[in-house]
Amino acid sequence: SQQGEEDPQALSIQEGENATMNCSYKTSINNLQWYRQNSGRGLVHLILIRSNEREKHSGRLRVTLDTSKKSSSLLITASRAADTASYFCATGPDSNYQLIWGAGTKLIIKP
Amino acid sequence: EPEVTQTPSHQVTQMGQEVILRCVPISNHLYFYWYRQILGQKVEFLVSFYNNEISEKSEIFDDQFSVERPDGSNFTLKIRSTKLEDSAMYFCASIGTGRREQYFGPGTRLTVT
Repeated sequence: SQQGEEDPQALSIQEGENATMNCSYKTSINNLQWYRQNSGRGLVHLILIRSNEREKHSGRLRVTLDTSKKSSSLLITASRAADTASYFCATGPDSNYQLIWGAGTKLIIKP
Repeated sequence: EPEVTQTPSHQVTQMGQEVILRCVPISNHLYFYWYRQILGQKVEFLVSFYNNEISEKSEIFDDQFSVERPDGSNFTLKIRSTKLEDSAMYFCASIGTGRREQYFGPGTRLTVT
């Protein structure tokens, strides 16, 4: 079964606005992580939230986790053109260290 | 800041040829991974490696694939006989002790013609 489905698939907003991306997953997890990928480039780790945490902040990023709904959201506040990228959620199961990935949200910030 | 490196950045090969993708994980990390991402699709787990052996592998990681840590620094992925559908970005990642965040290399773009 697929794990880590993001929505929306694509999001286009004006610079300065907030961007919210959602992720849903199916199985139990140890943690959920968000990564950024600039076009054709590598994956950059943004933030990790553990299954016993509900919210986490890092700079302009805010991540929430609702394990009862098996969902997470990533909020980027005061977006900048440099935030244009694809954002992926990846879940870390309890039993092992591999990451299971969603399809990603393509975020475009218009100047 | 230490980082994961991968070589080559782009490899073009003919169908049926063997390729070796190389990765140098962060030096004190102990868990190593290979993932692939077909253009426009999800990142897919291939294999994890710990203590000099495979700890998990996915269905994608069939007999055509192998991994090796030939010395204390390199971590390689070999595809014995490449197929067109092996064309993808291949990412190496590593994790430090007691952590869960994976640090990714920049990837190798493999093009099979």
